[in-house]
Amino acid sequence: GAGVSQTPSNKVTEKGKYVELRCDPISGHTALYWYRQSLGQGPEFLIYFQGTGAADDSGLPNDRFFAVRPEGSVSTLKIQRTERGDSAVYLCASSLTGHNTGELFFGEGSRLTVL
Amino acid sequence: AQTVTQSQPEMSVQEAETVTLSCTYDTSESNYYLFWYKQPPSRQMILVIRQEAYKQQNATENRFSVNFQKAAKSFSLKISDSQLGDTAMYFCAFMRGGGSNYKLTFGKGTLLTVNP
Repeated sequence: GAGVSQTPSNKVTEKGKYVELRCDPISGHTALYWYRQSLGQGPEFLIYFQGTGAADDSGLPNDRFFAVRPEGSVSTLKIQRTERGDSAVYLCASSLTGHNTGELFFGEGSRLTVL
Repeated sequence: AQTVTQSQPEMSVQEAETVTLSCTYDTSESNYYLFWYKQPPSRQMILVIRQEAYKQQNATENRFSVNFQKAAKSFSLKISDSQLGDTAMYFCAFMRGGGSNYKLTFGKGTLLTVNP
């Protein structure tokens, strides 16, 4: 597709379950980002990939969160042992290169609800 | 660490009128970028306008313009001739320059409603 695609659009799970959120960036974009947007807040940085490697994962809140991008395109954000506080919209974005002047292309996000 | 503050949680404006959204930021960096992003109900963040800190001239994009006051660390967005489609959350964002120019720090947002 032409834009950043995220699936699922909405995910409801129970506390303690494992969740995977997928992001398909714009073709040819080498940089990929995950942000988390809690209710009433602006997005917060989680992780940045340049190609296949995580160049900066300083925003991941704890070791229950992990993200991969094995072939330098699609990325998966994985959350283990989900907690109610993980409920948020998870936004993925991509850009042509990692060092840019801020034009990130965002997807529509995956809304995660942990019951 | 950088912080971005948007002091107006909500604003409203009549169609065709002009509205200004406020943003202040705090940083010790000299090289940085500032942005306004729009988030409609679809949740997709869309870049509205960008300002490089080293440029004194205020950025403009059609009906959107900014008032960048570097010394005051203020970066307001002016929307002229407001349209119903401008209804959305607006986020001010900061990005360091140099080798760290990939991470955006967002404010909490301002919900703008354009009334017919």
